[in-house]
Amino acid sequence: EVQLVESGGGLVQPGGSLRLSCAASGFTFSSYSMNWVRQAPGKGLEWVSYISSSSSTIYYADSVKGRFTISRDNAKNSLYLQMNSLRDEDTAVYYCARGRPSYAFDIWGQGTMVTVSS
Amino acid sequence: EIVLTQSPDFQSVTPKEKVTITCRASQSIGSSLHWYQQKPDQSPKLLIKYASQSISGVPSRFSGSGSGTDFTLTINSLEAEDAATYYCHQSSSLPITFGQGTRLEIK
Repeated sequence: EVQLVESGGGLVQPGGSLRLSCAASGFTFSSYSMNWVRQAPGKGLEWVSYISSSSSTIYYADSVKGRFTISRDNAKNSLYLQMNSLRDEDTAVYYCARGRPSYAFDIWGQGTMVTVSS
Repeated sequence: EIVLTQSPDFQSVTPKEKVTITCRASQSIGSSLHWYQQKPDQSPKLLIKYASQSISGVPSRFSGSGSGTDFTLTINSLEAEDAATYYCHQSSSLPITFGQGTRLEIK
């Protein structure tokens, strides 16, 4: 079964850091580009970041540029999101999703909740 | 940034009814428009890709149309399980953007 499973969410104070992980299974992870998409409580979807299959191409939304870092380890079938200088407005469920920027996102994880609050 | 505007924001419908949700892009995006369904406490699920291409495993009552700036998701003969929020998504240019969502309530 094709599956993405996020982990690493939790409660963090403003200015703090958190590292999210996304474990892939059921497909050849190293052949696919990946994304992080977030959803604030009761709100819509917001694309956060993209990484190509070889990590050679990376994009960020302006709202997280300079604070978040996307990476992957194809040997471990894992995607990561390092989040620094967290703000209240980063509070959201974070999903990993499979797909290139010009493609649809065909597989989504179940999400991990990040709460930024003092 | 390409802005996607969905209408309506909310719709209350009865089973077996036909539903139409529209998504308008702020500039032409060709056919680079995709539709997702998100049920409460679940992750989004891809319904339609590239405006009108069907997805394996998605019921045939879901269909999409449009190109350029105006797109439509149609649900024929609505079922109770279709209660959800529906989002459009453009992959024409970065940043990737989503519509604000349309919530469907089943009466």
